[in-house]
This record gives sequence, C-alpha cells and structure tokens, in this order.
Amino acid sequence: LAKTTQPISMDSYEGQEVNITCSHNNIATNDYITWYQQFPSQGPRFIIQGYKTKVTNEVASLFIPADRKSSTLSLPRVSLSDTAVYYCLVGEATSGTYKYIFGTGTRLKVLA
Amino acid sequence: EAQVTQNPRYLITVTGKKLTVTCSQNMNHEYMSWYRQDPGLGLRQIYYSMNVEVTDKGDVPEGYKVSRKEKRNFPLILESPSPNQTSLYFCASSRVMGQGNSNQPQHFGDGTRLSIL
Repeated sequence: LAKTTQPISMDSYEGQEVNITCSHNNIATNDYITWYQQFPSQGPRFIIQGYKTKVTNEVASLFIPADRKSSTLSLPRVSLSDTAVYYCLVGEATSGTYKYIFGTGTRLKVLA
Repeated sequence: EAQVTQNPRYLITVTGKKLTVTCSQNMNHEYMSWYRQDPGLGLRQIYYSMNVEVTDKGDVPEGYKVSRKEKRNFPLILESPSPNQTSLYFCASSRVMGQGNSNQPQHFGDGTRLSIL
C-alpha cells in the first residue's frame, strides 16, 4: 500500500505562501495524488488533484516531481481562514481494491 | 444540493448495544466509503463499496459491518460496540475510479461522533 507521510504541523502568517510536502514512496503507476482540507467539525473537502508535473486551480497548486515519490501542495497568500488540517491521499486503484490511504494530515495554523 | 447525510451526528451508548449509523448520498455515486478519525491517526478506511451489493474491507474493518442494498445508502453497523470504537466517523461518496483514471474526488458527510461507554 502506498503510505503517505506529511509534517504534523506548520505555522504561517497571513499573506505568505505555504508549501506542504507529502511523501509517498510506494505510489503505483496509475495512482493520482489528491489533497483535501478539513476544518473542525466538518468532513474533508477536495482541494486539488494531479498525476505529474504541475496542476493549478483557483485555490492551490500541486507540484509533483518526475519520480512521483512526493508532492507539494502550495497555497498562495494564505489567510486566517486557511487554518485547517490538510491531507494528502493516494489511491489504490491499480490493485483493483480501490482502497484509499490518507496521511495523518498537516495542521496548518495561519497567524495574523 | 449535492450532499452526503449521516445520522445520527452524535451518539453515546454502552458496550454491546448494537447500533447503526446511516449514510445517504443524492449524487448517484457508485462508490461509497466509511472512515474513522482518531487523534494522531488521521483518517482510516473501514469499508468501501464499489456499487450495489459490492463491498470490501478497508484498513480497519474489525468490529464493523456494512451493507449496500441501494445505491444511495451505505449504513455502518456495529453489532457489539466496544469502547475502542469510540471515534469520529465519516461517510464519503464519489464516482467510480478505474485503472488509468483519476481518483474521483470524494464528498464527505459532516461526521458522526460515537462514544461507547
């Protein structure tokens, strides 16, 4: 199974760019990398997904190196409302089992 | 509004008393899944279902049962709950993913907090 490893926590200040890296050494060839955001008392919410190189949407960018053994979620100019837990997720589609392996999450705290 | 609905949101019960947590989605998703979330352990998958009458174990299935008789519903059953099943539970749904296809984003419910005394 493609286990993921993330930093437990990070602090940042408003307006800064935040980069959160996730390690997934055993990622399978066809697995995509997905990031979720979770606020207290809510379920996780999809942020961004990618397979390789760089993906950008209206809220974040995702950088994936050629070996795909890691990925970096980039949040531009964070605000207080970005304080949340961020999860990296790698699928398990190739084995036919469709299991999902979430990391333990990175708790981001944005300070004023 | 597209949503995943879990009930109850909170439950305190005692060891051994069977309980069911319901999950319903209105997006016609084939894939549904249950997770538990514990401090320091993140989200761990309990069971998942690819479609009606198709279910499979996740990472932590012991002590749980599920059924998928209808596409929209995926109840989680604790036949004989124990204190180590005290946790925050999330149901999620998505379109089916396949080999070579992207992981379809999962939509999560707001969670069910279970306390087993």
